[in-house]
Amino acid sequence: GQSLEQPSEVTAVEGAIVQINCTYQTSGFYGLSWYQQHDGGAPTFLSYNALDGLEETGRFSSFLSRSDSYGYLLLQELQMKDSASYFCAVASGYSTLTFGKGTMLLVSP
Amino acid sequence: NAGVTQTPKFRILKIGQSMTLQCTQDMNHNYMYWYRQDPGMGLKLIYYSVGAGITDKGEVPNGYNVSRSTTEDFPLRLELAAPSQTSVYFCASTNGQGANYGYTFGSGTRLTVV
Repeated sequence: GQSLEQPSEVTAVEGAIVQINCTYQTSGFYGLSWYQQHDGGAPTFLSYNALDGLEETGRFSSFLSRSDSYGYLLLQELQMKDSASYFCAVASGYSTLTFGKGTMLLVSP
Repeated sequence: NAGVTQTPKFRILKIGQSMTLQCTQDMNHNYMYWYRQDPGMGLKLIYYSVGAGITDKGEVPNGYNVSRSTTEDFPLRLELAAPSQTSVYFCASTNGQGANYGYTFGSGTRLTVV
């Protein structure tokens, strides 16, 4: 089976940088994805890493280390609108994702 | 493009009743999924489909059924509703490249079984 571990909550102030970690155990691995979900809303896709290293998309970056079964999402120049839940998800097969329980990010002024 | 459309948005069911949650997408995506999300939890996969006529069970399929007669539609059927099925249900789709290229989610159906 698959399991993912991420912190339940992270707090930060506007303008700061925050890192949300994710460790995973899976019988097969095709990649690590990140999703954002605002309260009451639908998850939206942020990023995907299949290979080791850092992927940058604007203020958000995602990192993967396959040998350590570890990844993180880095959010820079935090804004109030970044307050949301962030989920890591692993693709252990070609077709499906298994999601972590999510990290609630609270950004304060 | 409407993306992924789910209906209804809210529903209250009595124990033992049945209902169908509708999901349709207009992006010509082959892969479609049903997830449920309980408070403070991640999303758990109920069923998925890799194309019309093909469905498979996910992590929590008991109490649910699906069908995929067209590329666009992927309804989820609840038979004999139970309080444990109180949850938010999300339908999602992605293109033929598989799960890694990003799911597009519908806005969800909030179901309460009383």
